[in-house]
This record gives sequence, structure tokens and C-alpha cells, in this order.
Amino acid sequence: DAGVIQSPRHEVTEMGQEVTLRCKPISGHNSLFWYRQTMMRGLELLIYFNNNVPIDDSGMPEDRFSAKMPNASFSTLKIQPSEPRDSAVYFCASRVLVGETQYFGPGTRLLVL
Amino acid sequence: AQSVTQLDSQVPVFEEAPVELRCNYSSSVSVYLFWYVQYPNQGLQLLLKYLSGSTLVKGINGFEAEFNKSQTSFHLRKPSVHISDTAEYFCAVSDLISDYKLSFGAGTTVTVRA
Repeated sequence: DAGVIQSPRHEVTEMGQEVTLRCKPISGHNSLFWYRQTMMRGLELLIYFNNNVPIDDSGMPEDRFSAKMPNASFSTLKIQPSEPRDSAVYFCASRVLVGETQYFGPGTRLLVL
Repeated sequence: AQSVTQLDSQVPVFEEAPVELRCNYSSSVSVYLFWYVQYPNQGLQLLLKYLSGSTLVKGINGFEAEFNKSQTSFHLRKPSVHISDTAEYFCAVSDLISDYKLSFGAGTTVTVRA
């Protein structure tokens, strides 16, 4: 049974470029989460979707960040334009029901030069 | 809002020795508590969780944790570690209403030496 799938695993880009991170949640899971992990701030929740609807986006840093979930099996996190301070590991997680365990993907390591 | 403090940033330990990772939380409401492990270049994996009931929680890979409400703690223990337990460990908390919102501690790096 495949876990949460994220692509790409690594991304190196230059400041000002658009970056798109992708996530495929575990089949049958109704909730999806995007997290960011940095040395300075640790793990932070960016946005939470339930049944493809954004429920809480209070963690999205600024307007340069946007997330979509067009269907139950796919989500994107976009940064436009990217800045060096966006360099981090971005994790996607999913869970089947409210109150259940969140399962994390392997992460995308982003470096913005 | 909840917060988590992991009292040790790094814990070196010899193989087959016991280990304890300390976690304290603050919250004005009832909480759920979690321990996750992150192996190098991997995502987070749930070790164990406390939702309700018995305060001693057993998880995977021989880990266990004890919820102490009066001391607002949720310390993680393993009686005998292996080299393969070398990883970063995160304590996390959520409240019962916004249970999706995990607040993570800063992490504890465990290095197991032969």
C-alpha cells in the first residue's frame, strides 16, 4: 500500500522563479496537510484541507504561497515568486478521518538560491 | 493555543542502554499527545499517541510514553536502544477541538553509539 507521495523530492531554483510542489495522499484519506520544516522555526502547519476544501490556511506565510486540492488524490503547493527564505523541507500529510493519525510523505527539499 | 517543549536537543546513548526523551506541554484545554520519529531524509512516522484512557502508552519499536497530567508531561522511553534508533524525535500536541492542528516541539536528536 503506497504511502503519501510527494514530488519532486529535491528542487533547486533561483530567486524569483515559480515553484510547484505536488502531493498524492493515501487513497481513501479525506484530510490533507502541508507542513514546512526549517531549522529556525521547526515544523509548522501551512494549510489543512478536509474533503478537498481548505479549512485552515492561517499558517500560509504570505500571498506568495498558494495551495490547491482539485480532487481527492492530488494537491499542489505553489510559491510565486520564490525567495531564499523559502528554503526548507515541505511535507505533505494525510489522514482518513478526524481524530486519526496523520501520515507524512517523504518531503520535498527546496533550495532557493 | 498549545505549545511543546522538548527539554533535550541532543541525547547521545550507547547501544542497549535505556533512553528517556522529555516532553512538556502547555494548554488550557484537554489535549492529544504524540511522538513522531524522523529518520534521516525521511518523513515523520508515528511512534505512539495518547488520546484518552491508560496513561501508559505503548508504541512501535519498543517505545512507550507516560502521560502525566499534573506535570503536563509526556516523556518517551525505551529500555534498550539499537543503532537503528538513531533519529530525530518530535513530541506534538493538539487540542480536542482543532485536533488537526499539531504543534510540534523542536525535536530531540538521538545518537546511538556502539
